[in-house]
Amino acid sequence: QQPVQSPQAVILREGEDAVINCSSSKALYSVHWYRQKHGEAPVFLMILLKGGEQKGHEKISASFNEKKQQSSLYLTASQLSYSGTYFCGTEIRGNYGGSQGNLIFGKGTKLSVKP
Amino acid sequence: DTEVTQTPKHLVMGMTNKKSLKCEQHMGHRAMYWYKQKAKKPPELMFVYSYEKLSINESVPSRFSPECPNSSLLNLHLHALQPEDSALYLCASSLRPGGYGYTFGSGTRLTVV
Repeated sequence: QQPVQSPQAVILREGEDAVINCSSSKALYSVHWYRQKHGEAPVFLMILLKGGEQKGHEKISASFNEKKQQSSLYLTASQLSYSGTYFCGTEIRGNYGGSQGNLIFGKGTKLSVKP
Repeated sequence: DTEVTQTPKHLVMGMTNKKSLKCEQHMGHRAMYWYKQKAKKPPELMFVYSYEKLSINESVPSRFSPECPNSSLLNLHLHALQPEDSALYLCASSLRPGGYGYTFGSGTRLTVV
């Protein structure tokens, strides 16, 4: 039930945009997005709970298509500080509609922003 | 206080040793988690504590034993580990189980020799 992330890696020049995708074969309760820099802990970016929900965090935003069990993370006008590995995490919807309570991470997307 | 504090930051232990990892948060979060992360891999869920009770054990070997003495503290007791258990062990917490973002600690880098 690990979500599938794509692409595995992205190289950008400062100011360029990127999209990272995350999909699941299971019905989702929520999708989380985290960024992890080398040697550091993952940092929470945002969580999406409802189908059609879109959230923003500075120039980083995300959408959630509950029906397709997919989420996308959008990074616009990238900055050097955006470099790191981005993980989506998914909570599977349980039998009674709530979360099963276990956040499972995708394999990650390594983003490198060059000057 | 908006942090999850893990100690120690680094630990080297022999295969016959017993050691413990400690995790503490004072944000009033009622769900706490242990993850294991190998190099260039995603964090892998080990245990979930929900309101101080173990709710999920992701088929973790018994040489790893979690404990949640109170709502602020989470321990991971280690005994008779193998070299392949060497990894970064991350503790995280969330306000409630399900539907809330996780705050991660900086982790304990464990080396088993």
